[in-house]
Amino acid sequence: DAGVTQSPTHLIKTRGQHVTLRCSPISGHKSVSWYQQVLGQGPQFIFQYYEKEERGRGNFPDRFSARQFPNYSSELNVNALLLGDSALYLCASSYTGVRVGEQYFGPGTRLTVT
Amino acid sequence: SQQGEEDPQALSIQEGENATMNCSYKTSINNLQWYRQNSGRGLVHLILIRSNEREKHSGRLRVTLDTSKKSSSLLITASRAADTASYFCAPLTGSNSGAGSYQLTFGKGTKLSVIP
Repeated sequence: DAGVTQSPTHLIKTRGQHVTLRCSPISGHKSVSWYQQVLGQGPQFIFQYYEKEERGRGNFPDRFSARQFPNYSSELNVNALLLGDSALYLCASSYTGVRVGEQYFGPGTRLTVT
Repeated sequence: SQQGEEDPQALSIQEGENATMNCSYKTSINNLQWYRQNSGRGLVHLILIRSNEREKHSGRLRVTLDTSKKSSSLLITASRAADTASYFCAPLTGSNSGAGSYQLTFGKGTKLSVIP
């Protein structure tokens, strides 16, 4: 089975622009989470979605938004890009049973804001 | 502050030696997951240990969890050059239900270098 896929792999944007990142979870996984990883740091939680509803949100400004589609894929949108938004954006999916299990990450999208 | 804090920040060993990385966290957890990351690429899931488990093995990996001390350790035995990577522990906090809200919280990781 395919793992978590993300697109695009790399992206260069200028300050003030908007960006949309995409994620497809592992088949059968209904929960998708987004993380931001700045160089030299560990990933930081942005959002968690389950069954198309936002279930959790990290400490990120309203410029960050996301949604999940009926096929459980997800988009992360960032408006009014700042230089500090340059990072690796990671998507993770998990099977949601009675207990929360392993979170599997995609390869990430490297966003550079100039 | 970060929930999972790894120690040491960097570790350099010879091929064939064992590598031990430690992790501390602050609040109660549902489970704790260890990941490997090569050169800024995606995170590879290594092992999950639940809060009611004390030890878990997977191949050359051994993970322990001490919830009374809020700490975990990852042991890699007989290390190989290919094990060179950054290793992260990530406590999972929040709802224990798949439909609830939960998140992983990461530290800065341990950078492991295995010298051939």
